[in-house]
Amino acid sequence: KQEVTQIPAALSVPEGENLVLNCSFTDSAIYNLQWFRQDPGKGLTSLLLIQSSQREQTSGRLNASLDKSSGRSTLYIAASQPGDSATYLCAVHGDMRFGAGTRLTVKP
Amino acid sequence: EAGVVQSPRYKIIEKKQPVAFWCNPISGHNTLYWYLQNLGQGPELLIRYENEEAVDDSQLPKDRFSAERLKGVDSTLKIQPAELGDSAVYLCASSLGGGNTEAFFGQGTRLTVV
Repeated sequence: KQEVTQIPAALSVPEGENLVLNCSFTDSAIYNLQWFRQDPGKGLTSLLLIQSSQREQTSGRLNASLDKSSGRSTLYIAASQPGDSATYLCAVHGDMRFGAGTRLTVKP
Repeated sequence: EAGVVQSPRYKIIEKKQPVAFWCNPISGHNTLYWYLQNLGQGPELLIRYENEEAVDDSQLPKDRFSAERLKGVDSTLKIQPAELGDSAVYLCASSLGGGNTEAFFGQGTRLTVV
């Protein structure tokens, strides 16, 4: 059974800082990996989907990488803003298992 | 284009009562997921449909939970009878197909069992 872990559980940074969120998974036989954002009381918003054949995917200030052999993905957020404050979740496709998320707070 | 639509947004019921949640996926999406999310945790998969077929229901508590996706479009998730521990957010998601493409989520239904 696929196990997905996200570290850290919570992160607080000052505005403008670059940061990295981590996602690790136990079974490297994955199809794709998807990063989501969740605001309090809301559903999940898709940020990036990395195909299993890709090593990274970029969207604006976000860059996600995937290393299947080591069972890791990272989400890099450049020049963080207070509006980036949310919980960030990764999901491993195949059976769509989620990590518990990283709660990010960006302080003005 | 409309996203995944769920209703109701909020539901409060007494324990032992039945409750149902409805989900309309994005048009053309063949794969539909139901998730349960407890506060501070990631979503947990309850059931996944490929068209009308439930291809993964291993995490669905079948003694009290049931789901259906007639005609392979919208879906209903039911709990009967509800227990206090069922209080959570129930999320629906859809993707084009195969379970391996980008998934999109609805706003969820927050269930409170009192």
